[in-house]
Amino acid sequence: AQKVTQAQTEISVVEKEDVTLDCVYETRDTTYYLFWYKQPPSGELVFLIRRNSFDEQNEISGRYSWNFQKSTSSFNFTITASQVVDSAVYFCALSGVTGGFKTIFGAGTRLFVKA
Amino acid sequence: NAGVTQTPKFRVLKTGQSMTLLCAQDMNHEYMYWYRQDPGMGLRLIHYSVGEGTTAKGEVPDGYNVSRLKKQNFLLGLESAAPSQTSVYFCASSYPGRDYYEQYFGPGTRLTVT
Repeated sequence: AQKVTQAQTEISVVEKEDVTLDCVYETRDTTYYLFWYKQPPSGELVFLIRRNSFDEQNEISGRYSWNFQKSTSSFNFTITASQVVDSAVYFCALSGVTGGFKTIFGAGTRLFVKA
Repeated sequence: NAGVTQTPKFRVLKTGQSMTLLCAQDMNHEYMYWYRQDPGMGLRLIHYSVGEGTTAKGEVPDGYNVSRLKKQNFLLGLESAAPSQTSVYFCASSYPGRDYYEQYFGPGTRLTVT
């Protein structure tokens, strides 16, 4: 079975702090994809990043960075120098061969960034 | 491009009533999905379609039906609404391929069943 666990339900930080959102996944597939999506207070879901299981290279995009570690089945997301606009619910998701590449979402982490 | 659109944005139903949610995408995507989002539970897949004329059950299909008569449209039906179906419904689409599994979401439909 495939599973995505986001153990942090809510995180609250002060602007300019760094924050890491944890994501742990379970799958028996050797080929799979991991995603992060953002859901701001307005409610829409925005794709942030995709990583396939053969590419463990970390990625940085501006203030966002992602750390993929197959050894610990984790795909953590770090926001550096957080801003109020980063306040949102962040979802980690997994898509694998076994599930016919249907995407399984974690429960989400709500991030509050206070000014 | 409008991307993925959903109709309606809000709806209130009484128990036992029926309704259809419409999802449309203009990106020529093969795959389309219907999810429901409930507090603390992330998104759960209701039904999905891998192409025109095909549909399949997801994680929570009971009480819902779907149809994909045209590639660009994916309809979600509730035949006899129940309070447990109060939720926010999201439609999504994606183009399958080695590097194209991210999904593009519609703005959501907030449904309340009283």
